[in-house]
Amino acid sequence: DIVMTQSPDSLAVSLGERATINCKSSQSVLYNSNNNNSLAWYQQKPGQPPKLVIYWASTRESGVPDRFSGSGSGTDFTLTISSLQAEDVAVYYCQQYYSTPITFGQGTRLEIK
Amino acid sequence: QVEIQQWGAGLLKPSETLSLTCTVYGGSFSGHSWSWIRQPPGKGLQWIGEINGSGSTNYNPSLKSRVTISVDTSKTQFSLKVNSVTAADTALYYCARGGVGATRSIGYWGQGTLVTVSS
Repeated sequence: DIVMTQSPDSLAVSLGERATINCKSSQSVLYNSNNNNSLAWYQQKPGQPPKLVIYWASTRESGVPDRFSGSGSGTDFTLTISSLQAEDVAVYYCQQYYSTPITFGQGTRLEIK
Repeated sequence: QVEIQQWGAGLLKPSETLSLTCTVYGGSFSGHSWSWIRQPPGKGLQWIGEINGSGSTNYNPSLKSRVTISVDTSKTQFSLKVNSVTAADTALYYCARGGVGATRSIGYWGQGTLVTVSS
C-alpha cells in the first residue's frame, strides 16, 4: 500500500494569510501515461462528506475558488490557500489514486488564528 | 447534475452483515468507477473498494475477505456488503463516484450512512 503522510496535523492561520498543507507519499504517484500525478485534495467540513478541491495534483475542481492551488510531483505535494477565508475552516485530506488500495492522508485540521 | 442517494441499516449486532445501496441520478453511470469509503467517528477516511460499470472490482486487502461490491447498471445502483461485522466496523459509510479511466479522484459523494455495530 502507498502510505500518505500529511503535515502538519493541525494548522491555525489568520484570516487573509496563506495556509500551506503538505502531503508525502511513500512511493511516486506519477502516472506515466499522461505525465500527471495521481493525487487529489479534499475538504471536509463537520457533518458533510468530503468535497473534491484539487485532482491530478494541480487541477482545480470546477467551482473551487482560485485561492486554492495544488503543486508538487513524484512523492511531495502541497495544497496552498493563498488568502484564508472563514469558510475554509475544515479538515483537508490528500489521496493517491495511482494504485489500489486507494489511500488517504490522516488529515490536517485548518483553523482560524 | 449528479446526485447519489444511499440507504441501509444503521444498527447491527456483531457477526451480522452490513448491507448498503446507492442509487445514482444524473450523469453517466457505466463510464465511471463507483467506490465505498468509510470514516470511523472522529477519524480519517478509509477506502473499502470500487466497481466499474462492467462489474470489475478492486478491494482493500484489509477488508477483502469480508466485502462484496456489486452493481446493477439497469437501475444505476451499486451496493456494499460486509460480512461478520464487529465494533471496529462502526463508521460513517459513503458511496461515491470516481472519474473516468485513470481519473479516480472522487467528485460526487453520497450523504453518508452511520453504521453502528453494538450488542
